[in-house]
Parts: sequence; C-alpha cells; structure tokens
Amino acid sequence: GAVVSQHPSWVICKSGTSVKIECRSLDFQATTMFWYRQFPKQSLMLMATSNEGSKATYEQGVEKDKFLINHASLTLSTLTVTSAHPEDSSFYICSARDLQGSGSPLHFGNGTRLTVT
Amino acid sequence: AQSVTQLDSQVPVFEEAPVELRCNYSSSVSVYLFWYVQYPNQGLQLLLKYLSGSTLVKGINGFEAEFNKSQTSFHLRKPSVHISDTAEYFCAVSETGGYQKVTFGTGTKLQVIP
Repeated sequence: GAVVSQHPSWVICKSGTSVKIECRSLDFQATTMFWYRQFPKQSLMLMATSNEGSKATYEQGVEKDKFLINHASLTLSTLTVTSAHPEDSSFYICSARDLQGSGSPLHFGNGTRLTVT
Repeated sequence: AQSVTQLDSQVPVFEEAPVELRCNYSSSVSVYLFWYVQYPNQGLQLLLKYLSGSTLVKGINGFEAEFNKSQTSFHLRKPSVHISDTAEYFCAVSETGGYQKVTFGTGTKLQVIP
C-alpha cells in the first residue's frame, strides 16, 4: 500500500532556531501534500496544501513566513518552522493521496513531535 | 464550508461489547466521508470511506459505518471490540472537487476495558 514517510519523528530545539520536517511519498508520486497540526487531545487542523512546483496554499490564520513549505519534487515536501517558539510545540503530520481519482483517501505520515524549549 | 461534529470525546466500553461512535457533519455541497484511527504518537490510518452507492460500508478490523443523508450522520460501529481497538477515532469529510481538502472532527477516544 501507499506509504508516507515523515522525518524526524521527534525533535527538540531551542527557542529561536529553525526546524525542518520532511515528508516523502515512498512508492507513489504526490503532486499535492497536506500539512496538519495537532494539539494535545485535539483534532487535526489543516495548515497548508503543498503543491509540487508552486507556492503552497495556506489556511486562514497560518503564518506563511513562519511555516515555510517547499514541495520540490513529486515525492518530497518539507515544512520548516522558522524561529521556533514554545507555542509552536505540537504534533505535525503530513499526508498525501496516491491516486488522483475523486474520493481517494489520504495516507498519513507518522507525525513529528516538535518540542521547543 | 464543511464541519464535523463528534459529540463523544471519550467512550469507555467493555471488551467484546458492541460500540457506536457518533459522527454528524454539515456541508452545503456533496462530500465524501471517512473514518480514521490514530494510535498514540502515530499518524492516521484509514478505517473506511463512503463515496457513493450503498450506505453501509465495511472497513478494516471489523468496523462498519452507515451513511444517513437525512440525518447527516456517519456513525461508526463494531459488534465486538478488542483491547487492541483502544485508540482515537476521527470522522472526516472532504470536498469532492479541487484539492479535496479534508476536515476532521475533534475525535473520540475509545477505551476498551478488559
């Protein structure tokens, strides 16, 4: 089945530094990937839609200069949290569809637990 | 715009008992419906989906869900739960066009009691 690999699975960084999270589709090509953020005991909030070869589409309230998304190839999208602060600590999850057909379900990475100290 | 409501944040149930996790949605257009399961510190795994056709859909691990258009519901059921079913369950809807963005409910934690 379709596999989405996310790396790292967890990261601890100091306030003010930047952190890059990678999302790879291992056995399929994904022109579109989605980045979600999940707060403890809460649902997933869509942050942005990553488009291969073009700018990402951000959801309302998400700072595009804070959360930089680069979708450089059909199998890789990256999310960079710039100048991280403790309030950025969260669980970040990427997802993609392996089929372009309507109704294709999302395949999720295993998430990245970011802790900013 | 679309939204998903999962009224039960936690559902405790004894092992081998049946369970129903409720999901209601709101949308001005046609949607696709999904149930996902999340184990601690992991991503989400698809349980089942409804796109069209038969309103009763069967998924993995013995789960099934029934789409009720008039009640805008998509409740998840399992006739007999196991300890391994303990997890967080998310109901989701997606647009049928464009990027097919997915909106998730707030999740229901299923706690199976031995």
